[in-house]
Amino acid sequence: AQRVTQPEKLLSVFKGAPVELKCNYSYSGSPELFWYVQYSRQRLQLLLRHISRESIKGFTADLNKGETSFHLKKPFAQEEDSAMYYCALVIGSGYALNFGKGTSLLVTP
Amino acid sequence: NAGVTQTPKFQVLKTGQSMTLQCAQDMNHEYMSWYRQDPGMGLRLIHYSVGAGITDQGEVPNGYNVSRSTTEDFPLRLLSAAPSQTSVYFCASSGPRDGGYTFGSGTRLTVV
Repeated sequence: AQRVTQPEKLLSVFKGAPVELKCNYSYSGSPELFWYVQYSRQRLQLLLRHISRESIKGFTADLNKGETSFHLKKPFAQEEDSAMYYCALVIGSGYALNFGKGTSLLVTP
Repeated sequence: NAGVTQTPKFQVLKTGQSMTLQCAQDMNHEYMSWYRQDPGMGLRLIHYSVGAGITDQGEVPNGYNVSRSTTEDFPLRLLSAAPSQTSVYFCASSGPRDGGYTFGSGTRLTVV
């Protein structure tokens, strides 16, 4: 089965603390993975794609095929990072996305 | 360049009514898809398309129809609305396979 698991529904951290949002996947083959962010009542925005290995807004994510994980990390959380974060996996030849259920990140001062 | 445009933004339907959610993109993207977003469920794939004239079902296709007569448009039709279809619907499109999807702003649908 091709699925994405985000084990934490809610993650609360203090401003300046490190953040790690977990994502595990199940996929036979080479996965294509993304992180999307959704600020309150807005559209989803692409945050990271695993093939680019770039850092956006201070976030990074590394694909670990051995652990089938694609965790999102940021060394120092900011209040404006508070949002819903979704991990997504490309499924099938149609290039559709299978999303995890999301993790709500709350950064408090 | 408007990106992905969804209309309407809000809609209230009565049970049994039909309607079409519109989605248009101006980026000449091949891939388009529809998702519904429900609390605690994340986003679930309804239907998707890999190009004009080609569509396929996703995880939750029952009660919905799609067609892709042009590259730009990918409407989602609710055949006979049910309260279980109350949700926020997002349309998305993508070009190159590694480009990631661009999402529309969503349609908030309530079925009473």
